[in-house]
Amino acid sequence: QQQVKQSPQSLIVQKGGISIINCAYENTAFDYFPWYQQFPGKGPALLIAIRPDVSEKKEGRFTISFNKSAKQFSLHIMDSQPGDSATYFCAASRGSSNTGKLIFGQGTTLQVKP
Amino acid sequence: DVKVTQSSRYLVKRTGEKVFLECVQDMDHENMFWYRQDPGLGLRLIYFSYDVKMKEKGDIPEGYSVSREKKERFSLILESASTNQTSMYLCASRSDRVGSPLHFGNGTRLTVT
Repeated sequence: QQQVKQSPQSLIVQKGGISIINCAYENTAFDYFPWYQQFPGKGPALLIAIRPDVSEKKEGRFTISFNKSAKQFSLHIMDSQPGDSATYFCAASRGSSNTGKLIFGQGTTLQVKP
Repeated sequence: DVKVTQSSRYLVKRTGEKVFLECVQDMDHENMFWYRQDPGLGLRLIYFSYDVKMKEKGDIPEGYSVSREKKERFSLILESASTNQTSMYLCASRSDRVGSPLHFGNGTRLTVT
């Protein structure tokens, strides 16, 4: 069962553009929504995370938008750079003490063209 | 900086072999995890451990077992490797502190022929 659905599978953006990756979840008990970034040959690393008590969280060029009623959240990368080219995974978990038992989305491969 | 080290970057094994994947973390984390990563499927949790000698099944435990004899080391065991276990395996660790992130190793690419 795929409890977290991520789209698109791949994305090509020009340098300076906005990259948008979307995720939808099914379980309303989920209360922690992180995004992980993975470069080739490396393991994923936490990029940014949000809890459902806020609708948006921004860290530098990266923003998570969260829509609790629609059970959707998205990652926006502003002013995308070639160094942002990586695979991005959204994830969700239930219970603040269970942040390690994450359900991951399918992943999005982002290519930022110079 | 947290370091999670997986013993092999690439591994090629034959069908039916017993396979051990080793993972060591250096931050005294209580929790350790094994995920497999497949294109189009994302990361799926195989097993995790919240303490020495303790383990719990994840979402896809069939065909796998784990061992955690020491806090820093978490091993994934494929009792009888099969071709459908060809995948990228990722180990991760996390402290018990609420909100702490997962720290992943760089993965082991296992090919079963």
